[in-house]
Amino acid sequence: AQSVSQHNHHVILSEAASLELGCNYSYGGTVNLFWYVQYPGQHLQLLLKYFSGDPLVKGIKGFEAEFIKSKFSFNLRKPSVQWSDTAEYFCAVILYGNNRLAFGKGNQVVVIP
Amino acid sequence: EAQVTQNPRYLITVTGKKLTVTCSQNMNHEYMSWYRQDPGLGLRQIYYSMNVEVTDKGDVPEGYKVSRKEKRNFPLILESPSPNQTSLYFCASSLRPPAGGNSPLHFGNGTRLTVT
Repeated sequence: AQSVSQHNHHVILSEAASLELGCNYSYGGTVNLFWYVQYPGQHLQLLLKYFSGDPLVKGIKGFEAEFIKSKFSFNLRKPSVQWSDTAEYFCAVILYGNNRLAFGKGNQVVVIP
Repeated sequence: EAQVTQNPRYLITVTGKKLTVTCSQNMNHEYMSWYRQDPGLGLRQIYYSMNVEVTDKGDVPEGYKVSRKEKRNFPLILESPSPNQTSLYFCASSLRPPAGGNSPLHFGNGTRLTVT
């Protein structure tokens, strides 16, 4: 079964620091990859997605992610975080041709002003 | 406004009392899905539906039922709720099934269910 691993469940950092969240998946076939963000008390919103093409994907709010097929990874990055980036971040993977989207356990990110 | 609407937002009930959480989308989406979110476990898929009258089990379907009689509605039914179903539930929809297409999920605002 496909699985998604996110490490460092709780991340605390100061404003202007750089953020990198790791995401690894277990399936070797063609995958579609997503990062979702959930701000406190809100529903999930799509940050960015990868389907094909350029493995470096740019999303909203200055986030980007890089798909490295050989490492089965899709890490999320932001060069300089703001207090408003405090949220929970979820990586999600879907196998091409499957219709079940598997989520990781999430990273709780707290940005201190 | 395009949205996924869940009701109620909060629900407290007792063990064994049947309940339904409604989900409706106004975007003519084919694909709809239910997830539960639990601390440390992320989101786990309960059921999904590819289109009207087509539903299938996700990763944690036990204790839940769904129906898709109309394209816009996808209610989640708990016939006999138990305390281990206390959770935050999200409904989501997408224009087409998410696999292989450029069709991201749109989420509702969530339903926080407590079963005592």
